[in-house]
Amino acid sequence: NAGVTQTPKFRVLKTGQSMTLLCAQDMNHEYMYWYRQDPGMGLRLIHYSVGEGTTAKGEVPDGYNVSRLKKQNFLLGLESAAPSQTSVYFCASSFYRVRNNEQFFGPGTRLTVL
Amino acid sequence: AQSVTQLGSHVSVSEGALVLLRCNYSSSVPPYLFWYVQYPNQGLQLLLKYTSAATLVKGINGFEAEFKKSETSFHLTKPSAHMSDAAEYFCAVSGGRGAQKLVFGQGTRLTINP
Repeated sequence: NAGVTQTPKFRVLKTGQSMTLLCAQDMNHEYMYWYRQDPGMGLRLIHYSVGEGTTAKGEVPDGYNVSRLKKQNFLLGLESAAPSQTSVYFCASSFYRVRNNEQFFGPGTRLTVL
Repeated sequence: AQSVTQLGSHVSVSEGALVLLRCNYSSSVPPYLFWYVQYPNQGLQLLLKYTSAATLVKGINGFEAEFKKSETSFHLTKPSAHMSDAAEYFCAVSGGRGAQKLVFGQGTRLTINP
């Protein structure tokens, strides 16, 4: 069981470039999440998905898009990267039948936008 | 709506001393509460969780937390700190049974002095 994996681990972008972060989980979880972590601000929810083909906005969705075409994958896209999007991005998943929303986290992607 | 406040962004204790990390929550419904730990350059791992059973919850690595409804608190303790406990700790709350999201506190960085 790999759990939650994220690709890539590190990335440097120039302002205006685009990229996609991939999250994959092999636990058959229904719910998946994308967070960003910035110093002193904890984790902030960007977007989340409660099932294949469904997505919803979180606390800080502007500048990001997501897709959940397959149950095991959740993609986070930056269409035109800005320096304010320099952050560490974490993906998480949870099993809805547990009903308490315990989330399992990936190792993170460190993104720098110059 | 739910919110979490972690008192103290940075706590420093001596090896062998008591660890106390404070978490207060606000929730309009009976909450589920979590403590996660993040070691340097890693994702978040679940330390322990309160899901409306016993109010004193024991977790991994000798940590425990007590749910106090009257004080809306869920403080994390460990009787004797070890150097390996140095990490960042996050308290989180979910909005009860069936909730789809977690709300995280800002985190507390724990430093252990030899």
